[in-house]
Amino acid sequence: AQKITQTQPGMFVQEKEAVTLDCTYDTSDQSYGLFWYKQPSSGEMIFLIYQGSYDEQNATEGRYSLNFQKARKSANLVISASQLGDSAMYFCAMRGGGGKLIFGQGTELSVKP
Amino acid sequence: NAGVTQTPKFQVLKTGQSMTLQCAQDMNHEYMSWYRQDPGMGLRLIHYSVGAGITDQGEVPNGYNVSRSTTEDFPLRLLSAAPSQTSVYFCASSPRGGASPLVAKNIQYFGAGTRLSVL
Repeated sequence: AQKITQTQPGMFVQEKEAVTLDCTYDTSDQSYGLFWYKQPSSGEMIFLIYQGSYDEQNATEGRYSLNFQKARKSANLVISASQLGDSAMYFCAMRGGGGKLIFGQGTELSVKP
Repeated sequence: NAGVTQTPKFQVLKTGQSMTLQCAQDMNHEYMSWYRQDPGMGLRLIHYSVGAGITDQGEVPNGYNVSRSTTEDFPLRLLSAAPSQTSVYFCASSPRGGASPLVAKNIQYFGAGTRLSVL
């Protein structure tokens, strides 16, 4: 069975600093996809970044990058130059069959001015 | 382009009442899913569909029914509401996959959510 684990319920970071949100996963599949979503206080789910299991390079999207370590089964999200608007819940997720996602419990990030 | 549209945004039910949460997408996505989000937990899959006429159960299907008669619509029915079904419900859709980089990722696009309270 597939499983996503996020061990940091809450994180604080100073504005303009970088922060890493941890995510480990478990799967027996050879081909899989990993996602990060952001959920601000308004409640919507916003797609941030994707990493495929066969991608040779770590994914990057603007200030977001994914530190993908396949052997360790980790897919940590790195946010560079944090902004106040980055304060939100962040969810790591893995793609299962039929397009469904398996989510971790989330990490609440608070950016301090 | 509206994306994924959920209605209603808020709903209060009494125990035992039934209702349908509506979900529609205009992106011609094959895959659609329903999730619920409870405090302190990630999203949990209720039901999902890989195409019109095909549905399957997710992690927490009890008390919910779905059907998918068209590609666009995927309604979620609460048969007899219970306080344990108080939650935020999200509908999502994604393409099946394909050659183009964006489609191949099967990125799920979410609706704005429905906040349901069962008294």
